[in-house]
Amino acid sequence: GQQLNQSPQSMFIQEGEDVSMNCTSSSIFNTWLWYKQDPGEGPVLLIALYKAGELTSNGRLTAQFGITRKDSFLNISASIPSDVGIYFCAGHENNDMRFGAGTRLTVKP
Amino acid sequence: KAGVTQTPRYLIKTRGQQVTLSCSPISGHRSVSWYQQTPGQGLQFLFEYFSETQRNKGNFPGRFSGRQFSNSRSEMNVSTLELGDSALYLCASSLAFGYGYTFGSGTRLTVV
Repeated sequence: GQQLNQSPQSMFIQEGEDVSMNCTSSSIFNTWLWYKQDPGEGPVLLIALYKAGELTSNGRLTAQFGITRKDSFLNISASIPSDVGIYFCAGHENNDMRFGAGTRLTVKP
Repeated sequence: KAGVTQTPRYLIKTRGQQVTLSCSPISGHRSVSWYQQTPGQGLQFLFEYFSETQRNKGNFPGRFSGRQFSNSRSEMNVSTLELGDSALYLCASSLAFGYGYTFGSGTRLTVV
């Protein structure tokens, strides 16, 4: 099926800056998940959102489940070099699971 | 608590051959799902098993199949390999489908 629209594709930021990325879909989801993947490894779950309008934080990470259930965003505050990696969103609805193409984040010290 | 274990980590196969990949989920996790990751197509869902039954399936040809054993361990099989099957195959486990998975490190399959 159609993958999710994730933007931006890549970001180059300075250490200490805040980052924002988002995912949109033409379909409704009842779960949004955000993952980070380091080279050669599998994705690691950062935040899971299960309710429209939900805003959840995990340390410097904050994610929101859009009220329309068709979008979600992830914010990273005060970025550090170890934030480097590829961030993926995933949407789940009944038997359907789709992923965004990923946002590649580069943090310059 | 042990994570999700996938074996082997790397595999090289010839076109036309078949391959079996293995996944051991986190203890207590009964849902195991499989994904294909390629630079061109990104992460794509293959299928999901729960209590030895395939409950969900992505849009992949019948050459891709899987099974789950009573101890929740799962295997994925790809028959008649094609060059385009070269990818990182990821397995993930969770308590239930859609509830935040833990991924393994993947098996990188190269078809030559």
